[in-house]
Amino acid sequence: DAGVIQSPRHEVTEMGQEVTLRCKPISGHNSLFWYRQTMMRGLELLIYFNNNVPIDDSGMPEDRFSAKMPNASFSTLKIQPSEPRDSAVYFCASSLKGQGGYGYTFGSGTRLTVV
Amino acid sequence: AQSVTQLDSHVSVSEGTPVLLRCNYSSSYSPSLFWYVQHPNKGLQLLLKYTSAATLVKGINGFEAEFKKSETSFHLTKPSAHMSDAAEYFCVVSGPGGYNKLIFGAGTRLAVHP
Repeated sequence: DAGVIQSPRHEVTEMGQEVTLRCKPISGHNSLFWYRQTMMRGLELLIYFNNNVPIDDSGMPEDRFSAKMPNASFSTLKIQPSEPRDSAVYFCASSLKGQGGYGYTFGSGTRLTVV
Repeated sequence: AQSVTQLDSHVSVSEGTPVLLRCNYSSSYSPSLFWYVQHPNKGLQLLLKYTSAATLVKGINGFEAEFKKSETSFHLTKPSAHMSDAAEYFCVVSGPGGYNKLIFGAGTRLAVHP
C-alpha cells in the first residue's frame, strides 16, 4: 500500500496565482480530509468528504478556497487567487467511514509558499 | 462537544528518562482517542489508539497511554526517552456522528537532550 499520496511536495507561487493541490487516498478508504497546518493556528480541518460528497466545509477560510473529489481515488484543493497568508502545509488524510477506531492515514503534505 | 486539551505546549527531558505528555478530553459519549506524532518536516503518524477495549494501550516505539474515564485523561508515556523521540505529539478525539471526524489538540513539542 502506497499510503496517501500528495502532490506537489513543495509549491512556491506568486500572490494572485491559482494553486492546485492534489491527493490520492488509500484504496478502499471512503472518507477524505483536507487539513492546513500553520505555526499560529496549528492543524485546522478545512473540509471532508464521504463517498466523494463534501460533508462539512465549514473550515474552508474563504471563497478563494474550493475542493473537489470527482472520484474515490482523487481530490483537489484549489486556491484562487492565492495570498501570502495562505502559506502553510496542507495535509490530506483518508479513513474508513464509521470506523472511528482506525484514525486517519495522513499524506506527507504540500508546503505552500505564496510570495 | 468533543475537545482535547494538551496541558503542556513544550516538554523537555534527558535521554533515558521517562516521558509524560498530558492530555485531557471532553466528550459527551464514549470516545475514541488517539496520539499522533509529527517529526520535523514530516507528516503525521499514528502512535496508538483507544477504542473502548483495554484501558492501557500500547503503541509503536515503546509508547503507551492509559485511558482514565474518571479523570477524563489519556496521557502518553514512555519509560525511557530516545533522541529520535524529539517531535510534536498530538492528542486527538473522535468527533460526533459517523463520519470519523477527528479533533486535534494544540500539540506538545517534546525535546530530548543528551
